[in-house]
Amino acid sequence: DQQVKQNSPSLSVQEGRISILNCDYTNSMFDYFLWYKKYPAEGPTFLISISSIKDKNEDGRFTVFLNKSAKHLSLHIVPSQPGDSAVYFCAASVGDYKLSFGAGTTVTVRA
Amino acid sequence: DTAVSQTPKYLVTQMGNDKSIKCEQNLGHDTMYWYKQDSKKFLKIMFSYNNKELIINETVPNRFSPKSPDKAHLNLHINSLELGDSAVYFCASSPTVGTEAFFGQGTRLTVV
Repeated sequence: DQQVKQNSPSLSVQEGRISILNCDYTNSMFDYFLWYKKYPAEGPTFLISISSIKDKNEDGRFTVFLNKSAKHLSLHIVPSQPGDSAVYFCAASVGDYKLSFGAGTTVTVRA
Repeated sequence: DTAVSQTPKYLVTQMGNDKSIKCEQNLGHDTMYWYKQDSKKFLKIMFSYNNKELIINETVPNRFSPKSPDKAHLNLHINSLELGDSAVYFCASSPTVGTEAFFGQGTRLTVV
């Protein structure tokens, strides 16, 4: 059973515009959330995280929003750049336990 | 200098064979993992070791046996390979369990 879901398998956005990636989870015990970025033939790379005591975390062009009541997480990339074209994975964990990953969203940034 | 390195990058082998994938991290992390990315692209944890001790063992066939000779290494040995074992296997490490993990580049295993 998938506890972390990314319902949009792909997203296409024009360079310079905002990319919004969404993630839903079912386990209300999750208290730490992460986003990873993955290029083809490489391992996932950590991008940004947020703990359940916050509702927003920002790092440069990347902002993660957490809505605990809706069990929803989103990643905003502003402005989108060609190098952002990759697969983005949402992940979550309970306390010190394992990370559960979503299936990923493929982002394509068009010039 | 690669933080998490795994070898080999590609592995093609016949059904029934035994193979190993090696992983090393130079980040000084306490925790190491093996993840499997299946054909549907889900990343699923298989095992986790913390300071050489097994702490997570998901529902994985016992043909898969991890070995951690020291904190910096976590190898994966697979016996009697089956077609369904074909996948990309990722090694990862993190400072502690459940925090941001750093991944290796993956090993694409193809069983024919």
